[in-house]
Amino acid sequence: NAGVTQTPKFRILKIGQSMTLQCTQDMNHNYMYWYRQDPGMGLKLIYYSVGAGITDKGEVPNGYNVSRSTTEDFPLRLELAAPSQTSVYFCASSYTSGGAHTGELFFGEGSRLTVL
Amino acid sequence: KQEVTQIPAALSVPEGENLVLNCSFTDSAIYNLQWFRQDPGKGLTSLLLIQSSQREQTSGRLNASLDKSSGRSTLYIAASQPGDSATYLCAVRPWDNYGQNFVFGPGTRLSVLP
Repeated sequence: NAGVTQTPKFRILKIGQSMTLQCTQDMNHNYMYWYRQDPGMGLKLIYYSVGAGITDKGEVPNGYNVSRSTTEDFPLRLELAAPSQTSVYFCASSYTSGGAHTGELFFGEGSRLTVL
Repeated sequence: KQEVTQIPAALSVPEGENLVLNCSFTDSAIYNLQWFRQDPGKGLTSLLLIQSSQREQTSGRLNASLDKSSGRSTLYIAASQPGDSATYLCAVRPWDNYGQNFVFGPGTRLSVLP
């Protein structure tokens, strides 16, 4: 049972480079999220998706882009990397619907990104 | 705007002690509340999920309670062990932001000393 899988686990980028963080889940969850976690700042939502083809901005979307072409995958793209994007990035997913469903949130192991 | 706080920020206890971690939220209109554990350099592991209609949930040595009217949740850890050392975070899902975002507390860093 893989759950939420993120790659890569570590990456060093130079200022101005671009890259994509990959996230895939095998739980058939409709909701997926990208968070960043900075020391002393807690978790902040970057983007989220409520289903394939539907994405929306979170609290800190600037400098990032996402797409959701399938239920399983939710990649996060960093364009023109800046030192302020040095952080740990977490992908998460949940199944949310009306009725009695739990909506429990599951996280990946994280991707540690350094921009120099 | 929903805000979540956790007190204390850090806690150190001797092995075997029972302990309580606190989580407070400002708006009682929540869908559910979830407790997580985070080990250094790792992701967040779900511990317990309490729906808004529930008062508590239990898993092994862990018991989480929810009092929406007072905006509080507690995580009780019985007979603590060094392996319980980690940061514990709580998160609420606001009712009026259904499924879109969770609001996280800053966490309590727990150290259990052998």
